[in-house]
Amino acid sequence: EAQVTQNPRYLITVTGKKLTVTCSQNMNHEYMSWYRQDPGLGLRQIYYSMNVEVTDKGDVPEGYKVSRKEKRNFPLILESPSPNQTSLYFCASSPWTSGGDPNTGELFFGEGSRLTVL
Amino acid sequence: AQTVTQSQPEMSVQEAETVTLSCTYDTSESDYYLFWYKQPPSRQMILVIRQEAYKQQNATENRFSVNFQKAAKSFSLKISDSQLGDAAMYFCAYRTNFGNEKLTFGTGTRLTIIP
Repeated sequence: EAQVTQNPRYLITVTGKKLTVTCSQNMNHEYMSWYRQDPGLGLRQIYYSMNVEVTDKGDVPEGYKVSRKEKRNFPLILESPSPNQTSLYFCASSPWTSGGDPNTGELFFGEGSRLTVL
Repeated sequence: AQTVTQSQPEMSVQEAETVTLSCTYDTSESDYYLFWYKQPPSRQMILVIRQEAYKQQNATENRFSVNFQKAAKSFSLKISDSQLGDAAMYFCAYRTNFGNEKLTFGTGTRLTIIP
């Protein structure tokens, strides 16, 4: 089954304790991205990657790191979490890149990871 | 930068009736995608419908259809014959066709279905 898998789905942690949210897709997609969802703000992009070893900042990158060593994986790292990073996080992937094979333009989302930082 | 505006934080509709959710966006690009995503209580993001900007014909998916007005930068979602399972948060989103192909989301409209 084609899917984007995130782990953990739920996590409660404390300020300053490093954590990693994993994301893996089995669709051989080039493009992957992380979003956070907050009430009244919709979803906002944190980081994105257009291919292996190519990553860049989105709209709200402060306090986060990412890496893309393999095509299928795109972990989100919080080196020193703070309470303002309490949020719902989504990983997403797409087979479509600029100038490439046009398809639907659709992003495929993981099921979300609810993170609480105390 | 692109922006997406959903001016209706909450909407409600009687079961079996029709409801329209509004969305406007701002962009200087001519080539892009527009989407409506549904987020039920499970929190999963589910694609409802998509529209390519170069297509003049409005997209339709079963009971869901859009009214795409490119010049007015408007992209409303019409849900016909509303069902209890349609209750969810609905997000309008814009995706550029250049560079960082991120989705820019609106703030969402919470739809309640009244039995």
